[in-house]
Amino acid sequence: AQSVTQLDSQVPVFEEAPVELRCNYSSSVSVYLFWYVQYPNQGLQLLLKYLSGSTLVESINGFEAEFNKSQTSFHLRKPSVHISDTAEYFCAVLNTDKLIFGTGTRLQVFP
Amino acid sequence: EPEVTQTPSHQVTQMGQEVILRCVPISNHLYFYWYRQILGQKVEFLVSFYNNEISEKSEIFDDQFSVERPDGSNFTLKIRSTKLEDSAMYFCASKGQGRFGELFFGEGSRLTVL
Repeated sequence: AQSVTQLDSQVPVFEEAPVELRCNYSSSVSVYLFWYVQYPNQGLQLLLKYLSGSTLVESINGFEAEFNKSQTSFHLRKPSVHISDTAEYFCAVLNTDKLIFGTGTRLQVFP
Repeated sequence: EPEVTQTPSHQVTQMGQEVILRCVPISNHLYFYWYRQILGQKVEFLVSFYNNEISEKSEIFDDQFSVERPDGSNFTLKIRSTKLEDSAMYFCASKGQGRFGELFFGEGSRLTVL
């Protein structure tokens, strides 16, 4: 079965600094990858997804992720974070019709 | 904007009691899911439901669990005899047509088993 690995459980960063949240997936012929965000006391919200086509995908709030087949990675990046980006971020892979989530990375942005 | 709603937001129950968690998916969605998240751990798939039947379930979803769509709008998760280890946040999600459609999640129901 397909899976994703998020190596960093926590990433502390100062406001306006760049950030990268790492995600690696188990290799497969076809892979469909997602990033979800969970703000405190809320449900999961889709941030961005890669299905096919351009390997660089972007969200509306400045995050982007690049599908890298040779490194089996789908890292999430933002060039300048805000306090409001503090949340839990989950990488996920589509397996049949369900999502399989990674263990999550808690992004903590400090002023 | 349409959303998935879940009730209750928090339920405390005694071990061995039955619990029903309720979800109202987005009205024109066809695929329904339950996930759970034990405190501090990852979000785990429990079950998917399509065309009025379970399409897939995980190892966690044993005989103590059941799902139902009783009236075409609600989607419920029942735990017959709760155990301490069932304490978790339970998320309902729904999806429209198509394999790659976005899953929309509810805000979750926190279950505490004492």
